[in-house]
Amino acid sequence: DQQVKQNSPSLSVQEGRISILNCDYTNSMFDYFLWYKKYPAEGPTFLISISSIKDKNEDGRFTVFLNKSAKHLSLHIVPSQPGDSAVYFCAASGTSYDKVIFGPGTSLSVIP
Amino acid sequence: GAVVSQHPSWVICKSGTSVKIECRSLDFQATTMFWYRQFPKQSLMLMATSNEGSKATYEQGVEKDKFLINHASLTLSTLTVTSAHPEDSSFYICSAKRGGYGYTFGSGTRLTVV
Repeated sequence: DQQVKQNSPSLSVQEGRISILNCDYTNSMFDYFLWYKKYPAEGPTFLISISSIKDKNEDGRFTVFLNKSAKHLSLHIVPSQPGDSAVYFCAASGTSYDKVIFGPGTSLSVIP
Repeated sequence: GAVVSQHPSWVICKSGTSVKIECRSLDFQATTMFWYRQFPKQSLMLMATSNEGSKATYEQGVEKDKFLINHASLTLSTLTVTSAHPEDSSFYICSAKRGGYGYTFGSGTRLTVV
């Protein structure tokens, strides 16, 4: 039973345009959500997070939106750059649920 | 700050032998560390939660006698893959949580069992 879902295994975007990566979750105990970027044979790198008390968090080109009622979050990257090409993992945890559970990932390709 | 070092970065071992992977928090103390594994083109699957000074908590389906976890100090957790078989070949990653920094991951260990 997959608690964190990323239904798009891959996404291609033109350089300079917006990349939107989506994530859905099922466990209502989750109250903290994270996005990680990962290159092959490397550990994940933290990008941005959001607490359930917020619906938006922005850091430079990265913005995460959270819709608690829909159990949905999304990561927006604007403008997309070729260096953003990687696998992006959505992850979730909770204050009373310390484990971080990862989604299956979305492979983003930014085309120059 | 909040650096996690994982060693070795890759290892090849013969079937039936044991392999130890180390995860160190370099500039902070981590009472809890997490071990993940990732198969090619799949997500990171949580294997176990490593607790300093106590037994690890394993996820359902993970054999605790095969994947031995020791968290003897606040800066070191080890994962030992015992009697490794080719199906244990995978990418193993540890992480630690530090207050204010969230979760930091090691660089991972590529295990190949031949």
